[in-house]
Amino acid sequence: IAGITQAPTSQILAAGRRMTLRCTQDMRHNAMYWYRQDLGLGLRLIHYSNTAGTTGKGEVPDGYSVSRANTDDFPLTLASAVPSQTSVYFCASSDSITAGGFSEAFFGQGTRLTVV
Amino acid sequence: GENVEQHPSTLSVQEGDSAVIKCTYSDSASNYFPWYKQELGKGPQLIIDIRSNVGEKKDQRIAVTLNKTAKHFSLHITETQPEDSAVYFCAARGSYIPTFGRGTSLIVHP
Repeated sequence: IAGITQAPTSQILAAGRRMTLRCTQDMRHNAMYWYRQDLGLGLRLIHYSNTAGTTGKGEVPDGYSVSRANTDDFPLTLASAVPSQTSVYFCASSDSITAGGFSEAFFGQGTRLTVV
Repeated sequence: GENVEQHPSTLSVQEGDSAVIKCTYSDSASNYFPWYKQELGKGPQLIIDIRSNVGEKKDQRIAVTLNKTAKHFSLHITETQPEDSAVYFCAARGSYIPTFGRGTSLIVHP
């Protein structure tokens, strides 16, 4: 069982370039999330999707976009990268996004992105 | 929205000692409180969780307590071992998405 897979594992990107971080899950979870992790700031939500075809903004959405064309894939795109987007990015998925759902979030291994 | 505060940011203990990490949350509607462990170079993994209708839950050397009135919950690790060294995150979930604390770096010295 692969769980949730992110690619690439790391990337050095020139400022101004476009970049898509890939995320795929094989657990048929309906909810997926993108977080960025910065030292001392914990995990901050960028965007989320509660089901295929819908997306929503999290705490720090500026400069990022997402799409959810199907259940399994949830790519994160940086349209024009800036140095402040240097971070470790985690994709996660869970069974439910509703208030009544008690479901664990499963995380990928992360993508370490450096924008220079 | 939900706001989760986590303390301390760093915790250093000797092997065999106990470790306690505390979190507070703001949204009284939150009803699910998971704890995640993140080892170096890996993604966070769930280690224990608690629902709002339960005050305490144990799993071997780890336990979590929840005080809904005071809106705080804590992680307790007993008989710490070097392999417990990691970053620990608490989270609170109410209306839809879990909100995470800023993490605690636990260092267990042999």
